[in-house]
Amino acid sequence: DTEVTQTPKHLVMGMTNKKSLKCEQHMGHRAMYWYKQKAKKPPELMFVYSYEKLSINESVPSRFSPECPNSSLLNLHLHALQPEDSALYLCASTWVGTGELFFGEGSRLTVL
Amino acid sequence: AQSVSQHNHHVILSEAASLELGCNYSYGGTVNLFWYVQYPGQHLQLLLKYFSGDPLVKGIKGFEAEFIKSKFSFNLRKPSVQWSDTAEYFCAVLNNAGNMLTFGGGTRLMVKP
Repeated sequence: DTEVTQTPKHLVMGMTNKKSLKCEQHMGHRAMYWYKQKAKKPPELMFVYSYEKLSINESVPSRFSPECPNSSLLNLHLHALQPEDSALYLCASTWVGTGELFFGEGSRLTVL
Repeated sequence: AQSVSQHNHHVILSEAASLELGCNYSYGGTVNLFWYVQYPGQHLQLLLKYFSGDPLVKGIKGFEAEFIKSKFSFNLRKPSVQWSDTAEYFCAVLNNAGNMLTFGGGTRLMVKP
């Protein structure tokens, strides 16, 4: 299994909603990532988990809350988002230190 | 902090033309460089990577890249493009700790049949 699976593929939410994005991989990777990608822009790093511990938080607003319940799962909890948070949210994973990221197809989020 | 820049934002080629996409990095230490491709509607995929050794790196689908330290460059090449190469191409650099990949601005390639 060489896939990173993200759900849902599409999400529409209001600014007062609470929702979560989920990511799963079964490649034995111990580093997992959340990236945000706006249209026609490169992916921007949000969070990095190494061995289930948050190792990098790129000054992301607290309305985004990551969680890594175990080595295969990564969640991104969303609360009180703004319309400008609408984007494609990409999950990725890798073996620690290699940099060869495996990406999921992303969750396309629209905030109304 | 490490960074990469891609100067070509949009490239349009005809099939069978040769391709070279520019990537320059600005980091003085050990560099680990990557090219990723994002086909329309698909996830990012690794094309090739450079860690050390032979500066000419061969990747998937006939792509190659050359690491030229004196020019701080890691340009992507393909001798003859196909319509199916239409995609967005991202150069990326890995930090020293090996846990953070930073992407360049991307180059959108369109290949006309």
